[in-house]
Parts: sequence; structure tokens; C-alpha cells
Amino acid sequence: GQNIDQPTEMTATEGAIVQINCTYQTSGFNGLFWYQQHAGEAPTFLSYNVLDGLEEKGRFSSFLSRSKGYSYLLLKELQMKDSASYLCAVRAPTDSWGKLQFGAGTQVVVTP
Amino acid sequence: DAGVIQSPRHEVTEMGQEVTLRCKPISGHDYLFWYRQTMMRGLELLIYFNNNVPIDDSGMPEDRFSAKMPNASFSTLKIQPSEPRDSAVYFCASSFPGHYEQYFGPGTRLTVT
Repeated sequence: GQNIDQPTEMTATEGAIVQINCTYQTSGFNGLFWYQQHAGEAPTFLSYNVLDGLEEKGRFSSFLSRSKGYSYLLLKELQMKDSASYLCAVRAPTDSWGKLQFGAGTQVVVTP
Repeated sequence: DAGVIQSPRHEVTEMGQEVTLRCKPISGHDYLFWYRQTMMRGLELLIYFNNNVPIDDSGMPEDRFSAKMPNASFSTLKIQPSEPRDSAVYFCASSFPGHYEQYFGPGTRLTVT
């Protein structure tokens, strides 16, 4: 299995930038995902990285370094609606295609 | 599009009772996933199907849990008998073939007393 680590909680001010780190230990690698989950709601897909580098999508960007087993999700120009849990998930090549293993999530609190 | 539909949204039952959760995936999606989420264990994959066939059930906790997908538009997750430790939010998700994005339903909050 995977060992996926991400901080439990982060607090930032509206308009600021927050970086959520995710590290994983795996004997192989076949894709890393970020999902957003508001309290009481379902997770929604944010990004997918399989190659090293930065993927930018509007205010959100995701970075991956396979050699370091490391990813981060960057949230820019924070808005109050960005207060949510952010889940990092990894697909291992030893697992079947559809199997994702999720981290415990990072609760981001945006303050005025 | 209506998105992934799950029913019921909330279920309260007594220990020992049978519980059946239902899911209708997005039309055209041929992958269907069942997840369980708790504070202690986070979001865990229980089982997933491709073209109505179970592909990986390694996350199903024990024989009390079973899942079926009789056709492309319907799946069930059954717990028999239920126990208090089964209390969780159960999500169903679906995806297009070859796509990595999974679309989650609103979830069923199960409480077993």
C-alpha cells in the first residue's frame, strides 16, 4: 500500500496564497490526484499529475516530483469559498487501474 | 446531466439489520466505484466495476459487505448484518472509460445504532 502524508490543517487569509504539500512512499507510481471536499459534500476533482512539473488551472496549480515522492497544490487569490478539505490521492502501478488511495486530507480555513 | 444519484441520503438502522445502498451512475460512464469515508480511516475504496463486472474488491471489509451491478445504470451495496462500526458516509462515483476524473455522488450517511 501507500503511505500518504499531508498536513492536517492550514489557515490563510482571503487573497493570499496557500501551498498544500503531499508526500507519498510507493514502490512505483502511476498518477497523483487532488480532490476538494467541502464539509458535508462529495469530493470534486481538481487536478491530475503523472509527469514531473507544474499543471496550472486557473487559481489552482499542482506540482509533482516523482523522484522525491512529492506533490503540492497551490491555491492563489484565496476566496472564502476555498475553505474545504483537500485530498491527495495516489494510484500505484501495482494496484488495478481504478484503485486510488487517499490521504487523510488537509483542512484549509480561509479567514477574512 | 443529473450527476451520480444515490439513495437513500440518510439511513439510520439498528445493529443486525440489513442495509442496502443504491447508486445510479452518470449515463455513458462505464466505471463505478463505491467508497466509504470516516473520520478515523478517511476515504477508502471498497470495490469498483467496469462494464458491470467487479474488477477490484480488495477494499471490501468482510463478508458482511456485498456489491452488485446488474446493469449499466444501477448498483447496490449491501451490508448484512450491519454493525455500529459500519457507520460512515458511503459514496458512489463513476467515470468515463480511460478518464481519470471520478464524479462522486452526494453520499449516503449511514448510522447503525
